[in-house]
Amino acid sequence: EAQVTQNPRYLITVTGKKLTVTCSQNMNHEYMSWYRQDPGLGLRQIYYSMNVEVTDKGDVPEGYKVSRKEKRNFPLILESPSPNQTSLYFCASKFRTGDTGELFFGEGSRLTVL
Amino acid sequence: AQSVSQHNHHVILSEAASLELGCNYSYGGTVNLFWYVQYPGQHLQLLLKYFSGDPLVKGIKGFEAEFIKSKFSFNLRKPSVQWSDTAEYFCAVILYSSASKIIFGSGTRLSIRP
Repeated sequence: EAQVTQNPRYLITVTGKKLTVTCSQNMNHEYMSWYRQDPGLGLRQIYYSMNVEVTDKGDVPEGYKVSRKEKRNFPLILESPSPNQTSLYFCASKFRTGDTGELFFGEGSRLTVL
Repeated sequence: AQSVSQHNHHVILSEAASLELGCNYSYGGTVNLFWYVQYPGQHLQLLLKYFSGDPLVKGIKGFEAEFIKSKFSFNLRKPSVQWSDTAEYFCAVILYSSASKIIFGSGTRLSIRP
């Protein structure tokens, strides 16, 4: 089954404790992206990747890092989480950067930073 | 800067009422337009999309949307809503000049009274 898988789905952590949210897709998609969803603000792009070893900042990259060492995986790293990073995070992928097809979304990861 | 506006933040309707959710974008070039739906506790799923051709597009579950280029609008409609349509709806735009940039609106929460 074609899917985007995120882990963990729920996480409560404390300020400053590094964490990684994993994202994996099995559709051989070149393009992957991370979004955060906050009430009233919709989805805002954090980082995206056009292919292996090619990443770029989205609209709200501060406090986040990403890597794309393999085509299927695109982890989101919070080196020193802060309470303002409490949010619902979605990973998404699509076939390639240049196409205008739909995004496929993961189930979401709800992060709380105390 | 390019943006997508969804002016209705929360819409409450009774079952069988007609629905229209507004979406306007600010970009003078060619766009692809999408409506995504997020049912409670779930990830975003594609409802319908417009690439070219007939400006009236039909999606899943009886939804349709009309692209009006002169008004920069892509409103979502359904003639008779059901309780199961309770969800959050997001309009999204891909700009042809930057196919890696997908801009989401802030979302409209739809509540249906049984």
